[in-house]
Amino acid sequence: DGGITQSPKYLFRKEGQNVTLSCEQNLNHDAMYWYRQDPGQGLRLIYYSQIVNDFQKGDIAEGYSVSREKKESFPLTVTSAQKNPTAFYLCASSIQGLGADTQYFGPGTRLTVL
Amino acid sequence: SQKIEQNSEALNIQEGKTATLTCNYTNYSPAYLQWYRQDPGRGPVFLLLIRENEKEKRKERLKVTFDTTLKQSLFHITASQPADSATYLCALPRSGGSYIPTFGRGTSLIVHP
Repeated sequence: DGGITQSPKYLFRKEGQNVTLSCEQNLNHDAMYWYRQDPGQGLRLIYYSQIVNDFQKGDIAEGYSVSREKKESFPLTVTSAQKNPTAFYLCASSIQGLGADTQYFGPGTRLTVL
Repeated sequence: SQKIEQNSEALNIQEGKTATLTCNYTNYSPAYLQWYRQDPGRGPVFLLLIRENEKEKRKERLKVTFDTTLKQSLFHITASQPADSATYLCALPRSGGSYIPTFGRGTSLIVHP
């Protein structure tokens, strides 16, 4: 079964703690993305990576960090510097270079800061 | 900067009717536009892509139109079913030649039996 997996589905964090969200894909896609979704808001891009060992900041990168050591994996770390981390986090991947960028999303991780 | 507008109010319709959702955009001429479906607590799922040189695209009960003069896309679901209830997002590639999409906030569709 090809697809994107995110774990865990629900995550609770105490204030001041860093936490890492996992994202794995077996679609052989080059590009991977992290979005944040808040109630009533659209998807906001946090970071993206178009190739292994390279990544770029999105629209709301402050307080987040990523790595892309393997094509299949793109973990997101929510640091204590992120002021309002409670949100629904979505990972996506895509094939680029075909004249369009259709995104394939994972099931999401809901992060709650206690 | 580019802006995408989708009706924030939920669309309520009766089963069997045609649902029509609107996506308007400004300050931009995208090469294509996409529609996604998102169910509560889940990731969006790609439905359809329509390019600027296509006026209409169909897939089963779904139809998308793309009017580059009006800067508007309409998304139609014919013979709607309660299972079609979800939030529908439109997405455009960012300006400047990037393929990375910008998503609208989505419109919630509720189909009543």
